[in-house]
Amino acid sequence: NAGVTQTPKFRILKIGQSMTLQCTQDMNHNYMYWYRQDPGMGLKLIYYSVGAGITDKGEVPNGYNVSRSTTEDFPLRLELAAPSQTSVYFCASSASGGDEQFFGPGTRLTVL
Amino acid sequence: GENVEQHPSTLSVQEGDSAVIKCTYSDSASNYFPWYKQELGKRPQLIIDIRSNVGEKKDQRIAVTLNKTAKHFSLHITETQPEDSAVYFCAATPSGSARQLTFGSGTQLTVLP
Repeated sequence: NAGVTQTPKFRILKIGQSMTLQCTQDMNHNYMYWYRQDPGMGLKLIYYSVGAGITDKGEVPNGYNVSRSTTEDFPLRLELAAPSQTSVYFCASSASGGDEQFFGPGTRLTVL
Repeated sequence: GENVEQHPSTLSVQEGDSAVIKCTYSDSASNYFPWYKQELGKRPQLIIDIRSNVGEKKDQRIAVTLNKTAKHFSLHITETQPEDSAVYFCAATPSGSARQLTFGSGTQLTVLP
């Protein structure tokens, strides 16, 4: 199993541009999460999903959107990139709400 | 919502010594407390977790203790080795369907040879 995979690994955006961060897991996990990690800080939850077709906001959802059309995929959309969105983005998944969360390798995003 | 505070932010120990990292949480409904290790440029990885019905859990050189009354939990690493050098994050989550983890701000542990 590849586990949780994310693309791209790195990306530089200009202010106002849009992009989608991809996340895929092959563990048949129902629960998926998006976090952002600012330098020297812990992870903050952006959005999460408890199954296909179901998404909900986390602690810091402003400026982001998600969708969950399949169990495997949970893309994160940035519509109008701002410098404050410069961060490392991690996707994670778990079998159920009480289980270990497995993290992807992360996407390092810079907005200039 | 839940608030997790983690101390210290940096910790240096000599190889072979013990390291202790402490976290406090605010939501008395929290009942799952994982610890993650993150090496430089890598993803966080779970090293140990504890649930609120247990006071202590041990896995080789790593142990976690939980004091529900005081709402704090600690990570203990014994016989530290240079490969233990990393950032360690604690987290807490209340019961519920989605297990929304709230993370501490991290502790940079450096094990000096």
